[in-house]
Amino acid sequence: DQQVKQNSPSLSVQEGRISILNCDYTNSMFDYFLWYKKYPAEGPTFLISISSIKDKNEDGRFTVFLNKSAKHLSLHIVPSQPGDSAVYFCAASAWGTGANSKLTFGKGITLSVRP
Amino acid sequence: GAVVSQHPSRVICKSGTSVKIECRSLDFQATTMFWYRQFPKQSLMLMATSNEGSKATYEQGVEKDKFLINHASLTLSTLTVTSAHPEDSSFYICSAKSGGLTYEQYFGPGTRLTVT
Repeated sequence: DQQVKQNSPSLSVQEGRISILNCDYTNSMFDYFLWYKKYPAEGPTFLISISSIKDKNEDGRFTVFLNKSAKHLSLHIVPSQPGDSAVYFCAASAWGTGANSKLTFGKGITLSVRP
Repeated sequence: GAVVSQHPSRVICKSGTSVKIECRSLDFQATTMFWYRQFPKQSLMLMATSNEGSKATYEQGVEKDKFLINHASLTLSTLTVTSAHPEDSSFYICSAKSGGLTYEQYFGPGTRLTVT
């Protein structure tokens, strides 16, 4: 049972335009959500996160929106740059310690930004 | 801040031998470290969670006798793949989180293991 879903495997956008990456979750116990960026043969890099008590968090070109009632979040990248081309993972966590603080990852979305 | 290193970055070993991978948090104390495995074009699969000074918690389906995890200090966790076989070839990634009110995990660069 996949608790975090990234249903679109890939997205291609023009440089300078907006990239919108979507993520859905099923576990209502999740109260914190994170986005990671990953290049091939490297570890994921933390991008931005949001707590369930908020509906928006912004950091530079990256904004994450959370719709709790729909169990949906999205990552907006504006403006998109060729260097943003990578795999983006959505992850979710419920509060806890040790093994209970583990992240549940989606399958990732491959973003390609065309020059 | 929040830098995690892994060593080695790549290793090739013969079938039947054991391989140790180290994960270090360089600028913070990691009370909890996680070990993941990633197959080509797939998501990260959590293998186990290690807490400093206690036994690791393994995910369902992961053989604890094959993947030995030790978290002997607040900055170091090791994963030993024992009696490696070609099907163990994969990209292994660790992550670390500090204690306290934090959810974020910081990932190492990964280790590519190839078993011949």
